[in-house]
Amino acid sequence: GDSVTQTEGQVALSEEDFLTIHCNYSASGYPALFWYVQYPGEGPQFLFRASRDKEKGSSRGFEATYDKGTTSFHLRKASVQESDSAVYYCALGGTTSSGQKLVFGQGTILKVYL
Amino acid sequence: GPKVLQIPSHQIIDMGQMVTLNCDPVSNHLYFYWYKQILGQQMEFLVNFYNGKVMEKSKLFKDQFSVERPDGSYFTLKIQPTALEDSAVYFCASSSPTGGVYEQYFGPGTRLTVL
Repeated sequence: GDSVTQTEGQVALSEEDFLTIHCNYSASGYPALFWYVQYPGEGPQFLFRASRDKEKGSSRGFEATYDKGTTSFHLRKASVQESDSAVYYCALGGTTSSGQKLVFGQGTILKVYL
Repeated sequence: GPKVLQIPSHQIIDMGQMVTLNCDPVSNHLYFYWYKQILGQQMEFLVNFYNGKVMEKSKLFKDQFSVERPDGSYFTLKIQPTALEDSAVYFCASSSPTGGVYEQYFGPGTRLTVL
């Protein structure tokens, strides 16, 4: 079945550092790719999506580019803030096997220190 | 932005009892979902529901599980009887068919503890 792998379980950065969270997927067909963010006590919130190869999704300074060749959708942000501390999930959907459901990665805990 | 509400936020019950988790989805959404997240593990799809019917369910959606949305009220997940392995956070989500794969809006979750 389809799957999503996030390499980093936890990332610790200082404010204004550059962020990269790696996401790779394995899917039948041509999935749509998503990033969700989850703050303490809340459910995951949609951050952005990309549906085609080379398409860039972005929101709130975060961005990721769909790369079909490397089956990746890495999340990046040029300068993180303490308020970015949260859990970040990469997800896919829209394949024959995933249907309308989202298949999530394991999540990456981001902690940003002053 | 649009909000999905879940009631209760935390439920503690004894094994073998019945539990109903309630979800108030975004008002104009037509697709509804339940996901399960065991502490420290990734979120996993349970079931999705549209037009009064289960559209798709995973192997985690055991025979003891059922979902319904009577007359446009809460979208509910019922577990009867509960088992210890049902302890988890259950997230409800809803989405609207705007084309392609849908942006899902999640509630804050219900933490279920089965003793």
